[in-house]
Amino acid sequence: QLVLTQSPSASASLGASVKLTCTLSSGHSSYAIAWHQQQPEKGPRYLMKLNSDGSHSKGDGIPDRFSGSSSGAERYLTISSLQSEDEADYYCQTWGTGIHWVFGGGTKLTVL
Amino acid sequence: EVQLVESGGGLVQPGRSLRLSCAASGFTFDDYAMHWVRQAPGKGLEWVSGISWNSGSIGYADSVKGRFTISRDNAKNSLYLQMNSLRAEDTALYYCAKEDTDGDYGGYFDYWGQGTLVTVSS
Repeated sequence: QLVLTQSPSASASLGASVKLTCTLSSGHSSYAIAWHQQQPEKGPRYLMKLNSDGSHSKGDGIPDRFSGSSSGAERYLTISSLQSEDEADYYCQTWGTGIHWVFGGGTKLTVL
Repeated sequence: EVQLVESGGGLVQPGRSLRLSCAASGFTFDDYAMHWVRQAPGKGLEWVSGISWNSGSIGYADSVKGRFTISRDNAKNSLYLQMNSLRAEDTALYYCAKEDTDGDYGGYFDYWGQGTLVTVSS
């Protein structure tokens, strides 16, 4: 079964960096994912597509502070030089033939 | 600029029906698969349904299969979700989302609308 697992919460200080993790379930470590950001009271915003080899393509207007990387079944989103507007929920997403589309449970990022 | 604008949400009694619409602009609508994703109050994102560019491929989450019907009108650049036999657990903000690769059905969502709220309650 295709499942994406995320930690419910994370925190980091203003100006620091944070690395969020999305873990693919067993047997699905080759899957690409997408990262989405959802600021409070707003619709989701696509950040990037992240492949299993760590290559990624970002959405329109996404700052260089956002980057992605991969290791095995883990997919990472790193945000550097944290700003107050980065405080948001972050979701990973993938899809599979016959499996349809799947989201992780989301990570709530607090900027201290 | 890509824009997706949902409408049609509201308060509806259990067992009744509602039809959501999504008006798309800023891209060639009939080249892309489209989806509905929902978010219950205080919860995460849940994929609801998707439709390929030519309506040839359609999928539903198990939670809505047999009750919801997705459709599109490429001449009107519009996506629809007909929701029948609504339940309290269908209460959510419903988002329209565009897939990232033209001609495919199976990919990632690169643009989202702002959502329309559906509340199912007596």
